[in-house]
Amino acid sequence: QSVLTQPPSVSGAPGQRVTISCTGSSSNIGAGFDVYWYQQVPGTAPKFLIYGNNNRPSGVPDRFSGSKSGTSASLAITGLQAEDEADYYCQSYDSSLSGSVWVFGGGTKLTVL
Amino acid sequence: QVTLRESGPALVRPKEPLTLTCTLSGFSINTTGMCVAWIRQPPGKALEWLARIDWDGDKYYSTSLKTRLTISKDTSKNQVVLTMTNTDPVDTATYYCARIFGFKDAFDIWGQGTIVTVSS
Repeated sequence: QSVLTQPPSVSGAPGQRVTISCTGSSSNIGAGFDVYWYQQVPGTAPKFLIYGNNNRPSGVPDRFSGSKSGTSASLAITGLQAEDEADYYCQSYDSSLSGSVWVFGGGTKLTVL
Repeated sequence: QVTLRESGPALVRPKEPLTLTCTLSGFSINTTGMCVAWIRQPPGKALEWLARIDWDGDKYYSTSLKTRLTISKDTSKNQVVLTMTNTDPVDTATYYCARIFGFKDAFDIWGQGTIVTVSS
C-alpha cells in the first residue's frame, strides 16, 4: 500500500488530454512538500519529468504539466502521442511520527489507444 | 556525460547480505549539494525509496528497512555502496541508484538498474 495513491491505469486517444492524479495526506503533499513526477517505459529506468509541483526540467516537452492543490497533485499530458505510453509515478516527502522518508505513488499505466 | 551505474550480484541466497555499488561518472559525490539515493522496484510493482547519502555524509533510511540497510560513500572511487542484511525473497527487485542535485528532492538522473534475485 503506497503512501501516495494513484489510479492503476488511464487511457486516451492520440491527440487527447489525460490527467493522472496523486492523492496524499496532511503528512506529505498536504504539509506543503513538493511533488515530482517520473515516466517509466517498461524495461527501462524512470525518467525525471516534473519538479517543484509544476516545473519541467529542460528537454521535457511542454505537453507535460503538473499541478498541486491541498493534499493532491496531478500530471496532465496534452496532445497525447504513442510514445507517451508508459508508467507514471508521483513522488513527495512524508514526515510523520514514525519518521521522515521520500515516498512514491503506486504508479499509473498510461495506454494510448 | 553524467551517468550512474549499478553493480552487484544477480543472485543472493536468503539471509545472506547484499552489497550493491553505484559508480558515478561526470560528477562528484563531494560536490556541495550532491546526494545519491537507492530505490528499488519489485517485478511488476511500484518504486520504493531505500536510502540516501549526502555530500556532507548525512544519511537517511527507509523507516521500514533502516535496521537492515547501510549506505556509504567512497570518495576516492566516486562510488556509493548500499548493504542490505538478512535478505529475503521479497527483496527480489531491480535496484536503482539515482542522483539528487539542483531540483530539491528530485531524482534527476537514474542508473539503468541491476536485477537482484533472492532465492535458495
